[in-house]
Amino acid sequence: AQSVTQLDSQVPVFEEAPVELRCNYSSSVSVYLFWYVQYPNQGLQLLLKYLSGSTLVKGINGFEAEFNKSQTSFHLRKPSVHISDTAEYFCAVRRSANFGNEKLTFGTGTRLTIIP
Amino acid sequence: DVKVTQSSRYLVKRTGEKVFLECVQDMDHENMFWYRQDPGLGLRLIYFSYDVKMKEKGDIPEGYSVSREKKERFSLILESASTNQTSMYLCASRPGGEIYEQYFGPGTRLTVT
Repeated sequence: AQSVTQLDSQVPVFEEAPVELRCNYSSSVSVYLFWYVQYPNQGLQLLLKYLSGSTLVKGINGFEAEFNKSQTSFHLRKPSVHISDTAEYFCAVRRSANFGNEKLTFGTGTRLTIIP
Repeated sequence: DVKVTQSSRYLVKRTGEKVFLECVQDMDHENMFWYRQDPGLGLRLIYFSYDVKMKEKGDIPEGYSVSREKKERFSLILESASTNQTSMYLCASRPGGEIYEQYFGPGTRLTVT
């Protein structure tokens, strides 16, 4: 079975500073990786995904993530954050299409707070 | 735009009551999911459905059942609500094929007293 670890439950960052939210995964087979964002009182929406190809993935709102197979990581980064980025961020993993199985496993989330 | 709607944003029920949470999607998606979200635990999959009348258990199906009689609607049923089922419930849907993004509804915050 696959699993996801988000080591930081809360990350405070000053406005316009860079941020990195960490995600590590565990799986015995190839995987697809996702970052979702949940703004206050809303459902989740997809920020970006890695399926194959280039290990640097760009998403919405200026976020990007890098897939590192040797370190089993998929860290999310943004060079300059804004107040509007205040939200909870979830990393998720599923087995790649070759292995079927619909199940998406989520991490426990990282609450990003932007300090004016 | 894909829209996933959930019947209630907030719900308060008493212990032992039968509770229905409804989810409707308007994009003809094959796959639908129910998750519960708890602080410090992230999202955990309760059940999912990949076709009408088809369902599969997720990680935490105990105390829950589901129904999918029509493609657009996926219901989560708590046969006898308990206080440990107080949580945020999120519904999601996904098209078939090689589109892996799940589209989420706004959630239902259920309180069982």
